[in-house]
Amino acid sequence: GAVVSQHPSRVICKSGTSVKIECRSLDFQATTMFWYRQFPKQSLMLMATSNEGSKATYEQGVEKDKFLINHASLTLSTLTVTSAHPEDSSFYICSAHEADRVFGNTIYFGEGSWLTVV
Amino acid sequence: AQTVTQSQPEMSVQEAETVTLSCTYDTSESDYYLFWYKQPPSRQMILVIRQEAYKQQNATENRFSVNFQKAAKSFSLKISDSQLGDAAMYFCAYSVTDKLIFGTGTRLQVFP
Repeated sequence: GAVVSQHPSRVICKSGTSVKIECRSLDFQATTMFWYRQFPKQSLMLMATSNEGSKATYEQGVEKDKFLINHASLTLSTLTVTSAHPEDSSFYICSAHEADRVFGNTIYFGEGSWLTVV
Repeated sequence: AQTVTQSQPEMSVQEAETVTLSCTYDTSESDYYLFWYKQPPSRQMILVIRQEAYKQQNATENRFSVNFQKAAKSFSLKISDSQLGDAAMYFCAYSVTDKLIFGTGTRLQVFP
């Protein structure tokens, strides 16, 4: 079945550096992907909508210059956390949606990425 | 703005018993989707059940069923014959345009 792969699953970076997280749809094309952030013991909060071939749409309160999103192909979206700080440490998870004429869109989640900024 | 509320931070159930998790939401839309997701310690998001708002019939998936009350904007999840593997965080979610708005979650413990 359709799968969304996220890489890396865990990453540790130094404060002030940038880190990239990839979200890939493996056997379907996704014109839209979504990025969520989940702090410990909290819910998933939508950060942005990644649109293939155009600019991402960010939710209120999310810094677009800090969280760069690129959706250059129909199977890959990347989230780059620039100038990372310890408060950016979190679990980041993406979703991609496969269109289905009968059942509407089916939502697939990646496995998530743990980011620790030290 | 759409919001999703889960008023039970934690619930517990005895194995083989039934438990109901509550969820309410607020929206001005008439057509939308509602979901229950399970998140085990691995953090993988697992779809438990999905309901289209235009369908009056409550969705059912094996031991999982929902009580969808559109007028009351309520969407509770019933887990029958609870199993140890059901222990996890459960999130209720709402969607209109494919982006999901999640509730705060309910941690379900299952005791043998």
